Amino acid sequence: GENVEQHPSTLSVQEGDSAVIKCTYSDSASNYFPWYKQELGKGPQLIIDIRSNVGEKKDQRIAVTLNKTAKHFSLHITETQPEDSAVYFCAASDNNDMRFGAGTRLTVKP
Amino acid sequence: ETGVTQSPTHLIKTRGQQVTLRCSSQSGHNTVSWYQQALGQGPQFIFQYYREEENGRGNFPPRFSGLQFPNYSSELNVNALELDDSALYLCASSSLAAGEETQYFGPGTRLLVL
Repeated sequence: GENVEQHPSTLSVQEGDSAVIKCTYSDSASNYFPWYKQELGKGPQLIIDIRSNVGEKKDQRIAVTLNKTAKHFSLHITETQPEDSAVYFCAASDNNDMRFGAGTRLTVKP
Repeated sequence: ETGVTQSPTHLIKTRGQQVTLRCSSQSGHNTVSWYQQALGQGPQFIFQYYREEENGRGNFPPRFSGLQFPNYSSELNVNALELDDSALYLCASSSLAAGEETQYFGPGTRLLVL
């Protein structure tokens, strides 16, 4: 089955700096890669996703890149703000089986 | 807000008991997936329901079972509860038939097994 590894487990940045979170996956059949943000006491919230026929996608301060050959994808957050502080999860899916990474706790210091 | 609702929000059970958790999917969605999220970990896929049938299952024992109803809402049942079943249980809805696999999560049910 799919195995998703996520790094780093914790990340602390100064407000205004960029943050990068990286994930690798094992199953070449995976074709959908979402990123979720989870705040304390809440369910995961989708922030951006990318499909296997696209190499990069951007939405305002958030961007995701995908390298299918190397089986890795990354989340980039620019101009970080304190409200970006949360746990971020990457996931890989082959339609009905979504596997998550272990999460990255991002802290943005004002 | 995603429009996905779950009940109850919190639950305390004792070892050996049975529990039923409920999920109402987002309007227009016909697929519900269930996940178990232990403290400090990522969600683990339990199973998915599409058109009232199981459509994929993760590595969970048969005492984890589910149902999907004609209105696409769903239940997760866990029998013979164990201490390790303590976790946040999340459901996510999507629209599989439309080829849109994006999943939207509810707020979860926090289960504590004593």
